[in-house]
Amino acid sequence: DAGVIQSPRHEVTEMGQEVTLRCKPISGHDYLFWYRQTMMRGLELLIYFNNNVPIDDSGMPEDRFSAKMPNASFSTLKIQPSEPRDSAVYFCASRGGPRNSPLHFGNGTRLTVT
Amino acid sequence: AQKITQTQPGMFVQEKEAVTLDCTYDTSDQSYGLFWYKQPSSGEMIFLIYQGSYDEQNATEGRYSLNFQKARKSANLVISASQLGDSAMYFCAMREGGSGNTPLVFGKGTRLSVIA
Repeated sequence: DAGVIQSPRHEVTEMGQEVTLRCKPISGHDYLFWYRQTMMRGLELLIYFNNNVPIDDSGMPEDRFSAKMPNASFSTLKIQPSEPRDSAVYFCASRGGPRNSPLHFGNGTRLTVT
Repeated sequence: AQKITQTQPGMFVQEKEAVTLDCTYDTSDQSYGLFWYKQPSSGEMIFLIYQGSYDEQNATEGRYSLNFQKARKSANLVISASQLGDSAMYFCAMREGGSGNTPLVFGKGTRLSVIA
């Protein structure tokens, strides 16, 4: 099992540019989550999907953020335009199985917006 | 109100000693699950242990155990025989509801440093 795969591992971009983060969940998992981690706010849920359908996007900070899951094996998180305050580590996680099953996290994308 | 509270920003423990990391939670649900994750300096999130609200026994996984006190709404992680490799951030998290359809809410974490 390859685990949750995120790309890129690191992204450095200039303010105003579009950023796209990618995630491949574990095969067979029906839930996918996007979290953001910062020193100040800790781990925050941005959005999650069930069977490719967005369930709750109330954590998405602004309209500049959007997420899609076109199929069971791929999801994107897009920031357009990016701002320095978006700098953080973005984690994708997936989950399948019974209700006591944990989230399996990817290694994260460290985003720096200058 | 915070759902998960971890009151210890940082902890030190001597190698081979046991250490307890505190976690209290807030929910009105009767059915919920509690999780602990480890985040080493390399950044990945590693699942350690799970406790369900209806589980009568405290969960154990190797050197990890969970001291679950339901009436006090606490779910402290106990690491026995600490090792240098245990130095990391530790996060407590909760999933509310019995269906398992809700996401995990995380605490702010505790940084554990194991001293040789």
